[in-house]
Amino acid sequence: DAKTTQPTSMDCAEGRAANLPCNHSTISGNEYVYWYRQIHSQGPQYIIHGLKNNETNEMASLIITEDRKSSTLILPHATLRDTAVYYCIVRASDNQGGKLIFGQGTELSVKP
Amino acid sequence: AAGVIQSPRHLIKEKRETATLKCYPIPRHDTVYWYQQGPGQDPQFLISFYEKMQSDKGSIPDRFSAQQFSDYHSELNMSSLELGDSALYFCASRPGQVNSPLHFGNGTRLTVT
Repeated sequence: DAKTTQPTSMDCAEGRAANLPCNHSTISGNEYVYWYRQIHSQGPQYIIHGLKNNETNEMASLIITEDRKSSTLILPHATLRDTAVYYCIVRASDNQGGKLIFGQGTELSVKP
Repeated sequence: AAGVIQSPRHLIKEKRETATLKCYPIPRHDTVYWYQQGPGQDPQFLISFYEKMQSDKGSIPDRFSAQQFSDYHSELNMSSLELGDSALYFCASRPGQVNSPLHFGNGTRLTVT
């Protein structure tokens, strides 16, 4: 599965949009991009995933560049409860067993 | 909506003891995964099961074993516990559809003294 690169940390003002980037320049055609977040000591929470089209759900939007080498997770109106570590993970559709490999995520701090 | 249930939430054991962690997946999810997260670390994949058969194996110590039962719940058995086994242990489940996401439980915190 392709390796991802994310900034170590980011700050965001409460009520503003949080834009979290992820670089996955070695992604291949059958690999999906997944986003999870982990609030301190809780289980990782699924946010959204996509292949090549932009995706939106009740939690966030996922913007994938046309060449698929990078993506951005957008939290449209960040709240204090969105403070967490955000993980961008790339997984092949034929990945044996479907496991996710967590790398270093982005620690997002939402400030009042 | 039903979530992944893990028990116990907290467990304290002494060195060289054994521990058993349990995981109850979301209904109709046939695949379960176990992860270990040490202090200040990212979750590390240990092992997974699909339809009661081991489907993948990660960095699981030989002292650990796991299985999935006919009702799809899973147990992680840990023997000869070491101080370094102190960690959060997460279970996740997903349905069989390709590319479906994993859904995680809130973990068991194991402390070895």
